[in-house]
Amino acid sequence: EDKVVQSPLSLVVHEGDTVTLNCSYEVTNFRSLLWYKQEKKAPTFLFMLTSSGIEKKSGRLSSILDKKELFSILNITATQTGDSAVYLCAVGNGSSNTGKLIFGQGTTLQVKP
Amino acid sequence: NAGVMQNPRHLVRRRGQEARLRCSPMKGHSHVYWYRQLPEEGLKFMVYLQKENIIDESGMPKERFSAEFPKEGPSILRIQQVVRGDSAAYFCASSPRTSGRNEQFFGPGTRLTVL
Repeated sequence: EDKVVQSPLSLVVHEGDTVTLNCSYEVTNFRSLLWYKQEKKAPTFLFMLTSSGIEKKSGRLSSILDKKELFSILNITATQTGDSAVYLCAVGNGSSNTGKLIFGQGTTLQVKP
Repeated sequence: NAGVMQNPRHLVRRRGQEARLRCSPMKGHSHVYWYRQLPEEGLKFMVYLQKENIIDESGMPKERFSAEFPKEGPSILRIQQVVRGDSAAYFCASSPRTSGRNEQFFGPGTRLTVL
């Protein structure tokens, strides 16, 4: 059965800290790995990764994928209180008849002032 | 360019009633997906539709749930004879035809409460 596992499940840090969120997966017919940020509303798209070793970067956030070891990390540097959210990792299935995403359970990040 | 629109944002139903959830994809998107998020759980895929076609409904419960995406108008997720266990947040996502189906953009969700 396809599965995506995120760790840690929750994390509390102080502003200015750097955090690393982990996502491992076992999915048949892997196509892509996506990171989303979810506050009390819609998950907001952050990154989509399809190739190993290529870092995606957006401001203080960056992510990289390792397709050999089947995991990805999301780094957030110089955290701010506005980074507090649930971070979701999802893996896309490449089968031709579906585009469904398989989500992990999320990492809840709380950034304290 | 408006994002994915869902309505209503909150819906309260009594057991046995019907719930209809609507989703309008982003402009230019022809793929629609429905996900359900139960309290304290991750998002679970329910169904994938294109206009007038159900492509993958492997995540849909076999009874009481149905989905459609007509030629005109929004996609509808319909839950008949709701039970308390249907209480959840239902998210719709859409993706553009040319960019691949995995890059999905989510709407704000409909929070269904069954009394």
